Amino acid sequence: DIQMTQSPSSLSAYVGDRVTITCRASQSIANFLSWYLQKPGNAPKFLIYAASSLQTGVPSRFSGSGSGTNFSLTISSLQPEDVATYYCQQSSTTPRTFGQGTKVEIK
Amino acid sequence: QVQLQQWGAGLLKPSETLSLTCAMSGGSFSPFFWSWIRQSPERGLEWIGEINHGESTNYNPSLKSRVTISLDRSKSQFSLDLTSVTAADTAIYYCARVFRKGYSLYGMDVWGQGTMVTVSS
Repeated sequence: DIQMTQSPSSLSAYVGDRVTITCRASQSIANFLSWYLQKPGNAPKFLIYAASSLQTGVPSRFSGSGSGTNFSLTISSLQPEDVATYYCQQSSTTPRTFGQGTKVEIK
Repeated sequence: QVQLQQWGAGLLKPSETLSLTCAMSGGSFSPFFWSWIRQSPERGLEWIGEINHGESTNYNPSLKSRVTISLDRSKSQFSLDLTSVTAADTAIYYCARVFRKGYSLYGMDVWGQGTMVTVSS
């Protein structure tokens, strides 16, 4: 199985800050990387696919980059509604695997 | 727009079979893959498996011996059966559609609301 490792496991930042979360795959997954956010009590919400393509309707302050084994999700200006846990997921091979999550909070 | 509504028993005893159904509305089964994922504090998000519109399946090897995913086109539904459950299968179970761009599969873009399943004697 491909292991997905996210860092940090949690972070706290001010409204308006630039926030970056990283995700590392245990082997190359090309660009088969997606990002989600999940708020308590809700299903994950699909944000980014193919490492850097924004899903329709997702605010442009979210962006993704990377290929191969190293990826990142950036929020250019953190907003109160962005408080959530963020997950990466690879779809290069089965079984599809997820990172362990990064919890984002507001200072 | 595509929506998924899921249901099934929420409390099971060890050794019973977990059965969940997910109804799709507002779209078509073709040409998509349809998946089941579960989430627990111990394991995080865990992919269970997927089925495509042609009813080909892929399963997580860790669960493969106990899992069956099936599709009923006439009812626009797909289902999950997990046999011989134990306390380790306690989790929130989600159905989801796999996002497809051309011939490439990416993440899951549409999710059901989730079903909490507890296994306890």
